[in-house]
Amino acid sequence: DAKTTQPPSMDCAEGRAANLPCNHSTISGNEYVYWYRQIHSQGPQYIIHGLKNNETNEMASLIITEDRKSSTLILPHATLRDTAVYYCIPRWAVFGAGTILRVKS
Amino acid sequence: AAGVIQSPRHLIKEKRETATLKCYPIPRHDTVYWYQQGPGQDPQFLISFYEKMQSDKGSIPDRFSAQQFSDYHSELNMSSLELGDSALYFCASSLKGYANTIYFGEGSWLTVV
Repeated sequence: DAKTTQPPSMDCAEGRAANLPCNHSTISGNEYVYWYRQIHSQGPQYIIHGLKNNETNEMASLIITEDRKSSTLILPHATLRDTAVYYCIPRWAVFGAGTILRVKS
Repeated sequence: AAGVIQSPRHLIKEKRETATLKCYPIPRHDTVYWYQQGPGQDPQFLISFYEKMQSDKGSIPDRFSAQQFSDYHSELNMSSLELGDSALYFCASSLKGYANTIYFGEGSWLTVV
């Protein structure tokens, strides 16, 4: 199974872009990279996913390196409500240790 | 849009008792997943079902069992409850397929006293 590595925590100023990295060097060719976030004990919320190409939706952008060994989730204009634990999940079912993002005013 | 519905939202049981959690997936979703999240921990995958058959198994204790019914709802049965079973239990659903997004319910809080 693919393993992920994310920084345990990050801070971001409100209104600035938050860039959350994830290393998934053991990902296999057909495994999508999913990003979810969890706001204090609520159900994990889907953000975005991708396979090879960069993706963008109304919440975020996902940049995947050409070798697919890492990706970066970008929240373009972070708000206080974006404070949460962010999970990068190369295999749909398995959560690793995510990144606690603290957005500060 | 309809979401994943879990019941009950809160449950208190004593040690050695049995508890049952229910999950109603998003309409037309055929795959259900169960997760356990202990205090301060990340969600741990327990088990999943597709078309009423177990499709994948994670770290589900032998004291726990689950099934999916013909209307796709699922139940997680937990017996001989231990204090360590106190956790938030999430159910999620999706359409079968490698690129299909999983959507989570709001969870059921189980407290074992």
